Amino acid sequence: EPEVTQTPSHQVTQMGQEVILRCVPISNHLYFYWYRQILGQKVEFLVSFYNNEISEKSEIFDDQFSVERPDGSNFTLKIRSTKLEDSAMYFCASGRDSSYRGNQPQHFGDGTRLSIL
Amino acid sequence: SQQGEEDPQALSIQEGENATMNCSYKTSINNLQWYRQNSGRGLVHLILIRSNEREKHSGRLRVTLDTSKKSSSLLITASRAADTASYFCATAGSYQLTFGKGTKLSVIP
Repeated sequence: EPEVTQTPSHQVTQMGQEVILRCVPISNHLYFYWYRQILGQKVEFLVSFYNNEISEKSEIFDDQFSVERPDGSNFTLKIRSTKLEDSAMYFCASGRDSSYRGNQPQHFGDGTRLSIL
Repeated sequence: SQQGEEDPQALSIQEGENATMNCSYKTSINNLQWYRQNSGRGLVHLILIRSNEREKHSGRLRVTLDTSKKSSSLLITASRAADTASYFCATAGSYQLTFGKGTKLSVIP
């Protein structure tokens, strides 16, 4: 069964450094998402992306964050200047159809554990 | 906020027993989804129930939805050790899924 793959599985970065998290969504999917999960807390939505544009973003997704689909297969999340509180698991998800109002499932990768020192 | 909240927070049962988890949410929804998360892994979609459905089955899973009470339940029958995981309900007001804190299920062999 097709999977969403994320690399690296664990990223350790010094505070203030830029980090890029990479995702390869399922190949025929058109809708892409990033979520994060701070240890012991809820999974939180960051951003959704469709047709090379952000369709929705949360308050967490401030100017330090950006997303890009640089080619036909990758979807990246960049954090420009990392803070200690950015330490979390970051999950990429994709969907073939729009999941507006939750009418379609989203398919998640296994995440990248980001540790900021 | 659409947030779903699950209870109990943790549930420990013997293999072969049934496990029931509940979810409550705050505002009206079109759909509600349940996901499973094994330790250190991503979320796996289990089942989606629409607001005009009252009950849905998938294998050993049974989900109910009561829109008047703004609640849903997930029943896993004849549990197995491999069902050990955290289970989350998710709702969506727009594109984003909003998850609760989850129920951590432990199935003891």
